[in-house]
Amino acid sequence: EAGVTQFPSHSVIEKGQTVTLRCDPISGHDNLYWYRRVMGKEIKFLLHFVKESKQDESGMPNNRFLAERTGGTYSTLKVQPAELEDSGVYFCASSPGQLMAFPPNYGYTFGSGTRLTVV
Amino acid sequence: GEDVEQSLFLSVREGDSSVINCTYTDSSSTYLYWYKQEPGAGLQLLTYIFSNMDMKQDQRLTVLLNKKDKHLSLRIADTQTGDSAIYFCAEKYGGSQGNLIFGKGTKLSVKP
Repeated sequence: EAGVTQFPSHSVIEKGQTVTLRCDPISGHDNLYWYRRVMGKEIKFLLHFVKESKQDESGMPNNRFLAERTGGTYSTLKVQPAELEDSGVYFCASSPGQLMAFPPNYGYTFGSGTRLTVV
Repeated sequence: GEDVEQSLFLSVREGDSSVINCTYTDSSSTYLYWYKQEPGAGLQLLTYIFSNMDMKQDQRLTVLLNKKDKHLSLRIADTQTGDSAIYFCAEKYGGSQGNLIFGKGTKLSVKP
């Protein structure tokens, strides 16, 4: 079974530019999560999709961030325009639907992350 | 809001035991987790513990939970250089499909 795939693995952009991160969850996983770790700080939740719907987007920092999951498969996270404080590692995770989520979080698989550097 | 605290650094010698500590705030958390991040890699789930358990052992890993004090620890016996990584404590917030609240991570350095 393929894991959660994130692309690109690294991105360096200038302040004011636009960047789009992509996450391909494990096939069949209804739940898709985005997290972010700013250097030296905790990993923070950004948002949660259930299929194509946003279940919880309480962690999105501001309206420069736009996440989509058209068709309930892969997801994109767009940052426009990027600011210096957006630098960090963006993780994606996926998990099965509720009835299949046991043992807990063994289905909650993280990708390797995208390291975003805004200069 | 919910918060998870960890010490940032730990350095041990190869063969010694490592103990990484964590405190959390959400008393309703059903599960608590330890994740490992090796350099350049993603987050790997190491182990989890039910909130109604005091201890869980899995090979070289021992998780201790003090629910009264909201304190979680991860002990790694016979620490190896390959255990060098960042270890994140996490609790789940918002039910079984909720999101994870992570600590800042403890960087474990193992010296030969």
